Amino acid sequence: GAVVSQHPSRVICKSGTSVKIECRSLDFQATTMFWYRQFPKKSLMLMATSNEGSKATYEQGVEKDKFLINHASLTLSTLTVTSAHPEDSSFYICSARNRDLPPVSYNEQFFGPGTRLTVL
Amino acid sequence: GQNIDQPTEMTATEGAIVQINCTYQTSGFNGLFWYQQHAGEAPTFLSYNVLDGLEEKGRFSSFLSRSKGYSYLLLKELQMKDSASYLCAVKVNNFNKFYFGSGTKLNVKP
Repeated sequence: GAVVSQHPSRVICKSGTSVKIECRSLDFQATTMFWYRQFPKKSLMLMATSNEGSKATYEQGVEKDKFLINHASLTLSTLTVTSAHPEDSSFYICSARNRDLPPVSYNEQFFGPGTRLTVL
Repeated sequence: GQNIDQPTEMTATEGAIVQINCTYQTSGFNGLFWYQQHAGEAPTFLSYNVLDGLEEKGRFSSFLSRSKGYSYLLLKELQMKDSASYLCAVKVNNFNKFYFGSGTKLNVKP
């Protein structure tokens, strides 16, 4: 199967600190990963598209200096929430596209289990 | 922009059939996906439509009408474990991004 892991699964931090969240594709190579955030009882909001070896593409309204994304290898993307504030508390989910699947594929994105961030 | 609408919440009885609708207005449409998500967990893939018509997979079926910007997910023989949120997601051409609807919380009662 196609497994995506996230670490940590849960993090609590103080306001003003930075938090790094890792997203790994465990058994496939992912040229593209996506980062979403989800507020309670709401759906997933796409934050940015992370491409291996190049700069991330951010959605409108997402601060690139606050949410730093690095896609250093074909199996790892990281999201760093800089100078976190309580309003950044959310459920962050990543997904990864398997580069070996054909362009039109039934199960294109594999989701990680999510990271619950709580900023005090 | 992308606009995807779903009902917020639905309730149905165990053993019954329920239809969850999704309407969308997007540019660069390249497929529609349905996902199931239990609270605090990642979404899991249910179905995919890129052409008009009905796709059936066991107890789940999904329908798409591209001209109407409309899809539905049909769940048959409901089970208690089907209580979850159901997310409609549209794939757009540009970088193959997915945009999600607000999700429909389905409550299955005995």
